[in-house]
Amino acid sequence: SAVISQKPSRDICQRGTSLTIQCQVDSQVTMMFWYRQQPGQSLTLIATANQGSEATYESGFVIDKFPISRPNLTFSTLTVSNMSPEDSSIYLCSVEEKVLVEQFFGPGTRLTVL
Amino acid sequence: ILNVEQSPQSLHVQEGDSTNFTCSFPSSNFYALHWYRWETAKSPEALFVMTLNGDEKKKGRISATLNTKEGYSYLYIKGSQPEDSATYLCAPIMYSGGGADGLTFGKGTHLIIQP
Repeated sequence: SAVISQKPSRDICQRGTSLTIQCQVDSQVTMMFWYRQQPGQSLTLIATANQGSEATYESGFVIDKFPISRPNLTFSTLTVSNMSPEDSSIYLCSVEEKVLVEQFFGPGTRLTVL
Repeated sequence: ILNVEQSPQSLHVQEGDSTNFTCSFPSSNFYALHWYRWETAKSPEALFVMTLNGDEKKKGRISATLNTKEGYSYLYIKGSQPEDSATYLCAPIMYSGGGADGLTFGKGTHLIIQP
């Protein structure tokens, strides 16, 4: 199974600033995803990170707020832009090696926006 | 929007007792169901992927059943131990004819095992 690391593991940020979260996988994978879990809410899909093209965003999420890069098959970044306290969440990346096989998740980035 | 409901939202169980909880989802266009366990400060860990009506899967003291006709899955834990304390998430996948997609999770059942 893929081993996934995320940086940073946690951060406390000021309102109006931006934070870039990195996701590194130890093997090449086709599918990478970004999720978030706001307090008391479901783990929610933000977008699919596509290698070599623009990410595919879910309803309610836009590129200007959550720009995503996927320069190769082992790495992706998610930026949370112009942060507000409502962006305080755990952000996770995940990978799916084969369709319908389980997704493997990174350890998450715990973000607090003051 | 896929409607996924998990109940109960939280559950306190005495160590050694058995317990179960539910994941409900639309029964039409069902494709597969994922169960995950998410312990605090760790990554969500896959427990089961279930596809067939009547499927029953087991991993140690944890087992799951699937009823695709009525749209629910049960997760059972036998002889609960403190290390079972976690949030249990389900994520059904509906057939869309496309390729791999991200998962739509329920809010989870937060299980606390009391020694």
